[in-house]
Amino acid sequence: DAMVIQNPRYQVTQFGKPVTLSCSQTLNHNVMYWYQQKSSQAPKLLFHYYDKDFNNEADTPDNFQSRRPNTSFCFLDIRSPGLGDTAMYLCATSRVSGFSYEQYFGPGTRLTVT
Amino acid sequence: GENVEQHPSTLSVQEGDSAVIKCTYSDSASNYFPWYKQELGKRPQLIIDIRSNVGEKKDQRIAVTLNKTAKHFSLHITETQPEDSAVYFCAASISQGDYKLSFGAGTTVTVRA
Repeated sequence: DAMVIQNPRYQVTQFGKPVTLSCSQTLNHNVMYWYQQKSSQAPKLLFHYYDKDFNNEADTPDNFQSRRPNTSFCFLDIRSPGLGDTAMYLCATSRVSGFSYEQYFGPGTRLTVT
Repeated sequence: GENVEQHPSTLSVQEGDSAVIKCTYSDSASNYFPWYKQELGKRPQLIIDIRSNVGEKKDQRIAVTLNKTAKHFSLHITETQPEDSAVYFCAASISQGDYKLSFGAGTTVTVRA
């Protein structure tokens, strides 16, 4: 019954070698989010899409980019990963309607930069 | 932007006792307050949420209270069990705003058997 799927679950990349993480959803939600979560910290929002509208957080490094080719898929591209980018990357989705909106999280991709 | 503070950062309770986690928020326009539970190595999962037109909500052993005047909300877990051990995050958002959640820093709850 997977609703938000992330691939790969684990990724090891070398310093400076581009990497792409993917997220897909079967919920038909109109909003998709990418979070970075480091050990023992709260998820930190990197950016989100409301439909096709891209919204970047002010403190998201330029190194991080995203694509949403259709409603179901969203990608996180890290152009030149640094050691500090080692983290769990969480994708989440929500259907914005009415007074509240639950965010459904994927299982995450654990990225290690060596 | 919204700022959410969460206390305590760690909480150890004896099995069967209650656990209480408190959060405060800064933006009076916030009107949606979810709580997420994250077990080690797993995704955050919504356990309960409350809207600003409600003062309290219960779901079995879990309850959330909201004080809009004081801008704080709390999570109460009664009759704690070992499986309640996890990190709990509170969050706040403005519905029909920017569709973003502002998270608290998290509380690591350990239930001692």
